Amino acid sequence: QKEVEQDPGPLSVPEGAIVSLNCTYSNSAFQYFMWYRQYSRKGPELLMYTYSSGNKEDGRFTAQVDKSSKYISLFIRDSQPSDSATYLCAMSANKLSFGAGTTVTVRA
Amino acid sequence: EAGVAQSPRYKIIEKRQSVAFWCNPISGHATLYWYQQILGQGPKLLIQFQNNGVVDDSQLPKDRFSAERLKGVDSTLKIQPAKLEDSAVYLCASSTDGRADLYFGPGTRLTVT
Repeated sequence: QKEVEQDPGPLSVPEGAIVSLNCTYSNSAFQYFMWYRQYSRKGPELLMYTYSSGNKEDGRFTAQVDKSSKYISLFIRDSQPSDSATYLCAMSANKLSFGAGTTVTVRA
Repeated sequence: EAGVAQSPRYKIIEKRQSVAFWCNPISGHATLYWYQQILGQGPKLLIQFQNNGVVDDSQLPKDRFSAERLKGVDSTLKIQPAKLEDSAVYLCASSTDGRADLYFGPGTRLTVT
């Protein structure tokens, strides 16, 4: 079993839709939870960073962490074509472990 | 603030040849990482430096991969000899405290033929 599981998609949605992404994990020592966005032929860039269970909102993006279920989510509201990218979840105890990434396409 | 710089951006070599990648982290970032990202997969940590000391190289194939970070700033990653399965994007990242929020460079896309 992988330490971090993420559905690779791909996911295709119309512009304006809500995008829902999620990851599950097995290591209860993970304390930091992140979402990275990676555009084609670019390095990942940090999108959201949370330390504990609960919700964190930043503009159109909401990150949720449920430590009891070992489950994290990212929601993108009012999705735009510019949101088309691969989204990677990542978690850290003393080192970062990444999911495989979900490729999202937002259709205009 | 300048980002993480990497060169070259692309490299094509034949198997059994050697190759080297260079990384310059964000100024002031003590922690530097090299990741390997195979197509369709998330980045996998190869080596982590704190200043110029190695913190974690448990997943570095040491029979063919080597890395150094002289003077605690720039870093080079070398592969010798390369294998077909080394075809991947090699990402360099840096962070201030070595815990969570990493800043990645654009990566070097290596193709081994």
